Amino acid sequence: DVKVTQSSRYLVKRTGEKVFLECVQDMDHENMFWYRQDPGLGLRLIYFSYDVKMKEKGDIPEGYSVSREKKERFSLILESASTNQTSMYLCASSFIPGLAGGGIYNEQFFGPGTRLTVL
Amino acid sequence: DQQVKQNSPSLSVQEGRISILNCDYTNSMFDYFLWYKKYPAEGPTFLISISSIKDKNEDGRFTVFLNKSAKHLSLHIVPSQPGDSAVYFCAASAITEGGSEKLVFGKGTKLTVNP
Repeated sequence: DVKVTQSSRYLVKRTGEKVFLECVQDMDHENMFWYRQDPGLGLRLIYFSYDVKMKEKGDIPEGYSVSREKKERFSLILESASTNQTSMYLCASSFIPGLAGGGIYNEQFFGPGTRLTVL
Repeated sequence: DQQVKQNSPSLSVQEGRISILNCDYTNSMFDYFLWYKKYPAEGPTFLISISSIKDKNEDGRFTVFLNKSAKHLSLHIVPSQPGDSAVYFCAASAITEGGSEKLVFGKGTKLTVNP
């Protein structure tokens, strides 16, 4: 079974703090993603990475950065947390379509989420 | 501009009846669609998918229908069970400017199945 783990289930931080959210997957997936989920807004893509040290902006990258130094680990960084970044953060991973181990199209496997509250 | 739309924020059905969740999309380049199910305080889990070369895909109680001309897909759950109560997200596979693949999600529909 694919397993995607996130470092914390619940996190409370203060405005202006630097926040690190960690995600680890154990299936050797090339792709990793960070989303945030807010009521009425669904899942919105913040950043994703298709290889080590590679990243691409999603739909709402402002206020966030990411780091991928190892294939299995993808970190989301809030350089200076603000109250409007209070949200559920979800990490996901998938194979690259067509590569060995993947099908033509690949589903994304999600972690359990981190509920971040910024005070 | 929302490319994947789930216009019903919520749906309530009786146990044993059919649940029909709808999804519309605007980008005709989308060619693969997925449904995810999410319980509170958990990550979404993959439920069922469909390629644009098909118009129907079935897996047990779950069936997804795709109408390409209408840019519409629906998820049918028959019979509905209380454990199906969750938020359901529709997603479409898209290629980014950089040539990578990402999913575009709808806002979700909260399904409640009443005993």
